[in-house]
Amino acid sequence: DQQVKQNSPSLSVQEGRISILNCDYTNSMFDYFLWYKKYPAEGPTFLISISSIKDKNEDGRFTVFLNKSAKHLSLHIVPSQPGDSAVYFCAASVGGGSNYKLTFGKGTLLTVNP
Amino acid sequence: EAQVTQNPRYLITVTGKKLTVTCSQNMNHEYMSWYRQDPGLGLRQIYYSMNVEVTDKGDVPEGYKVSRKEKRNFPLILESPSPNQTSLYFCASSPWGYEQYFGPGTRLTVT
Repeated sequence: DQQVKQNSPSLSVQEGRISILNCDYTNSMFDYFLWYKKYPAEGPTFLISISSIKDKNEDGRFTVFLNKSAKHLSLHIVPSQPGDSAVYFCAASVGGGSNYKLTFGKGTLLTVNP
Repeated sequence: EAQVTQNPRYLITVTGKKLTVTCSQNMNHEYMSWYRQDPGLGLRQIYYSMNVEVTDKGDVPEGYKVSRKEKRNFPLILESPSPNQTSLYFCASSPWGYEQYFGPGTRLTVT
């Protein structure tokens, strides 16, 4: 069973507009969530994270929102840039710092068109 | 430069021929991990290590072995590779266990 789900395999947006990537999870024990970005032929790179005690975390153009009751999180990119075109993975963990096991979603391919 | 390195980057081998993929990090991180990425399945954790001589299974450990004799190195061993282990493999390290730094990947093909 898939505990972290990214139901949109791909998303296409225009440069300058907002990109919203969604992620749902089923394990209510998850208490830390991360987003990674991956370019072709490279390893994933950490983008932003959020603890379950928060509902929002912002870093420049990137904002992650967490809705615990809905077991849903989203990544907002504003404004989107062509260099943001990549695969985005949502990941989750249990343990508040003591567990090192990350569960990833399948990823969403974001394409930002000039 | 702080980095995670993997070797080889590409490998084509035959069923049953033992192989090792090396992973090394120069950031003095305690935590290291191996993942495989397959189309439609995302990233799945194979094994992880929280420190020297401490390893544990991830979600898909079958057919793999690891060892952590030194802090900087975390090799992935396939004793008898099979075609279903054809995949893209990533090594990662972290000082805390969450915000992991990934290597560039090793594309393995088993025929």
